[in-house]
Amino acid sequence: AQTVTQSQPEMSVQEAETVTLSCTYDTSESDYYLFWYKQPPSRQMILVIRQEAYKQQNATENRFSVNFQKAAKSFSLKISDSQLGDAAMYFCAYRSAGGSEKLVFGKGMKLTVNP
Amino acid sequence: EAGVAQSPRYKIIEKRQSVAFWCNPISGHATLYWYQQILGQGPKLLIQFQNNGVVDDSQLPKDRFSAERLKGVDSTLKIQPAKLEDSAVYLCASTPRPNTEAFFGQGTRLTVV
Repeated sequence: AQTVTQSQPEMSVQEAETVTLSCTYDTSESDYYLFWYKQPPSRQMILVIRQEAYKQQNATENRFSVNFQKAAKSFSLKISDSQLGDAAMYFCAYRSAGGSEKLVFGKGMKLTVNP
Repeated sequence: EAGVAQSPRYKIIEKRQSVAFWCNPISGHATLYWYQQILGQGPKLLIQFQNNGVVDDSQLPKDRFSAERLKGVDSTLKIQPAKLEDSAVYLCASTPRPNTEAFFGQGTRLTVV
């Protein structure tokens, strides 16, 4: 079974600075997807960024980018120019490329952005 | 495009009572998921539907939880009887087709006292 580990329960960053959230995962599959989701107090999970395992290039979405290290099974999220609206819970998630499309989530990390 | 709708937003019940949650996925989305998110943890899949058929219910506590998706659209998740450890947020999500982004609703926060 696949597992996702987020070892840092909380982090804080100053507004306009950069922060990196870490995530490791365990799988025996070679083809899969990795995601970072943001969950604000409204509770709705919002997709931040997605990475396909077969792609060597790291995904980027505006201020959000990932560092995907397939051999190390590591998937970190970098948030540049942090904004107050980035404050939320962040979850790393795994999904197999075939079979069940369920998402396997880590425990999450609370990000605080200080003005 | 309307998002995934869930109701109620909050529910408080006593242990051993029953409760039901409702989810209306995005129109045209074939796959629907129910996740349970206990405080301090990530969501865990309870059940996955493809149209009105069950794809995965391996983590659904079938002695007390049940779910249905009539006509492949709306879905209800029921707990009977509820236990204290069922206190959690229940999230519904849907996807239009395989290997596409999952869209989540705002969830129902259940408190069992």
